[in-house]
Amino acid sequence: NAGVTQTPKFRVLKTGQSMTLLCAQDMNHEYMYWYRQDPGMGLRLIHYSVGEGTTAKGEVPDGYNVSRLKKQNFLLGLESAAPSQTSVYFCASSSRYRTEAFFGQGTRLTVV
Amino acid sequence: KNEVEQSPQNLTAQEGEFITINCSYSVGISALHWLQQHPGGGIVSLFMLSSGKKKHGRLIATINIQEKHSSLHITASHPRDSAVYICAVPENYGGSQGNLIFGKGTKLSVKP
Repeated sequence: NAGVTQTPKFRVLKTGQSMTLLCAQDMNHEYMYWYRQDPGMGLRLIHYSVGEGTTAKGEVPDGYNVSRLKKQNFLLGLESAAPSQTSVYFCASSSRYRTEAFFGQGTRLTVV
Repeated sequence: KNEVEQSPQNLTAQEGEFITINCSYSVGISALHWLQQHPGGGIVSLFMLSSGKKKHGRLIATINIQEKHSSLHITASHPRDSAVYICAVPENYGGSQGNLIFGKGTKLSVKP
């Protein structure tokens, strides 16, 4: 039982490059989330999804896009990376029945 | 929108000590989460509670809904308890349990 799996775990990008982070969950959860974690700040919500084919903006959505074509996968895209997007990114999933959230191991992204 | 304050920010304890970490929030909630972030970066959900008290091993979480306050206690602390402990609440009352507002965390270091 893998839970929530994020790929890649580490990545270095040059300014202006694009990339996609993949989050996969095997718990049949309806809700999925992308957060970023920066030093001295709590985790902040980027985008989330309450079901296949639906996405919504969170607290810090600018510069990111997401897609949820399959229930088990939630993709986070950076079209033109900026140094301000250097962060650790966490994906999470939860059931719609008010249960705990399960987190992936994180992706450490550096934009130079 | 909810705001979350944790105290203390940093905590150093000797092995065996009883530890308390506090969390206060500003808006009424349906449930509160305590999470643990390991030194390696992974995040694990410890508790989700909406009233009273929950216990898991040496960890105890309590919540006072009227006072908008929760505490996480660790009894007989051990060096392996060293981690960052994070409190999180839904953005709004009744909000999804994954659309969370996070505290900045309490970094606990337990010395042998």
